[in-house]
Amino acid sequence: NAGVTQTPKFRILKIGQSMTLQCTQDMNHNYMYWYRQDPGMGLKLIYYSVGAGITDKGEVPNGYNVSRSTTEDFPLRLELAAPSQTSVYFCASNLPGGDEQFFGPGTRLTVL
Amino acid sequence: LAKTTQPISMDSYEGQEVNITCSHNNIATNDYITWYQQFPSQGPRFIIQGYKTKVTNEVASLFIPADRKSSTLSLPRVSLSDTAVYYCLVGEGAGNNRKLIWGLGTSLAVNP
Repeated sequence: NAGVTQTPKFRILKIGQSMTLQCTQDMNHNYMYWYRQDPGMGLKLIYYSVGAGITDKGEVPNGYNVSRSTTEDFPLRLELAAPSQTSVYFCASNLPGGDEQFFGPGTRLTVL
Repeated sequence: LAKTTQPISMDSYEGQEVNITCSHNNIATNDYITWYQQFPSQGPRFIIQGYKTKVTNEVASLFIPADRKSSTLSLPRVSLSDTAVYYCLVGEGAGNNRKLIWGLGTSLAVNP
């Protein structure tokens, strides 16, 4: 299994640009998550999904959108990039019944 | 809403046992308590999870008192490679109502 994969690894955006961060998992996990982690800080939940077709907001959803059309994929969309969205973005997944989440390697995003 | 609190940083030496405590005063009765390890430029990695009393695996032990208002991650005989940030996580609710409460992380420095 590849586990959780994220693309791209790095990206620089200009203010107002849009992009999609891709996340795919091959473990047949129902639950998927998007977090952001600012330098030296902890994790903040952006959006999560408990299964295909179901998404819900986390702690910091403003400026982001998600979709979950398949079990495997959970893309995160930034519509109008702002400098405040400069961060490292992690995708994670797990099975129901516990909190053993598997994390991807992260996407480092800079908005200038 | 549950809230987690853990020390910002800790120092230790190789070969010592390290105990990191997380308080979660408002934890719900059906919450798991989960701990993660994160190295720089990587996603967090699951260490251990428990519900009550004591859980042990090949890398750590987790002690949970009867009132479940705190938990202690115990790392036996740490080495330099255990230098990392350690996060506690408490879950609350289920399905679409599930909330994840992450601690801010404890930065552990293991010295020679």
